[in-house]
Amino acid sequence: SQQGEEDPQALSIQEGENATMNCSYKTSINNLQWYRQNSGRGLVHLILIRSNEREKHSGRLRVTLDTSKKSSSLLITASRAADTASYFCATGAGGGNKLTFGTGTQLKVEL
Amino acid sequence: DAMVIQNPRYQVTQFGKPVTLSCSQTLNHNVMYWYQQKSSQAPKLLFHYYDKDFNNEADTPDNFQSRRPNTSFCFLDIRSPGLGDAAMYLCATSRERILGGREGGYTFGSGTRLTVV
Repeated sequence: SQQGEEDPQALSIQEGENATMNCSYKTSINNLQWYRQNSGRGLVHLILIRSNEREKHSGRLRVTLDTSKKSSSLLITASRAADTASYFCATGAGGGNKLTFGTGTQLKVEL
Repeated sequence: DAMVIQNPRYQVTQFGKPVTLSCSQTLNHNVMYWYQQKSSQAPKLLFHYYDKDFNNEADTPDNFQSRRPNTSFCFLDIRSPGLGDAAMYLCATSRERILGGREGGYTFGSGTRLTVV
């Protein structure tokens, strides 16, 4: 299946530190997206990177994509307690607009 | 603000009793999706509508049905809920084409948490 695998499953850091999450997937993609989910809520779109892009920035977020390794990483710099959430990668492939989500990384940022 | 609204936030239903979850959007997006998310798992796509064109995932049980009477509304019907159907149900929308950047991606509702008793 296309489902992504995320690493680590859980990550605990101190406020102010950087958080890095990784995502691997299995087949060719059109784009890869990262979403955030607070406990018991819906997902919020963070950033999208196309298959022909290698790096993208948005505020404190930095996403990289390596299509040769079928992997992506999400870096959150200068983390805050409010960043505590689950983070999912999702891949878009084929001619349609369907996304397949990875298993998620649970991030906890402690004061 | 344009958004995706799911009602209710929490739904309790009896084993075997039909239940309907609703989703509405003010974004005028062509595509609407229903995802099922069980505890600590990835959201799993059940089906999606491209305008009025219904697209079912191959492994979505027959117990799950959907209706989209107009652009703004989409419903998820569970004909005979079992204990294994307890989950968060997420509705999402997207434009026809992902434009990238801030215009890209899905917009999700807050979800409906379904409990089957």
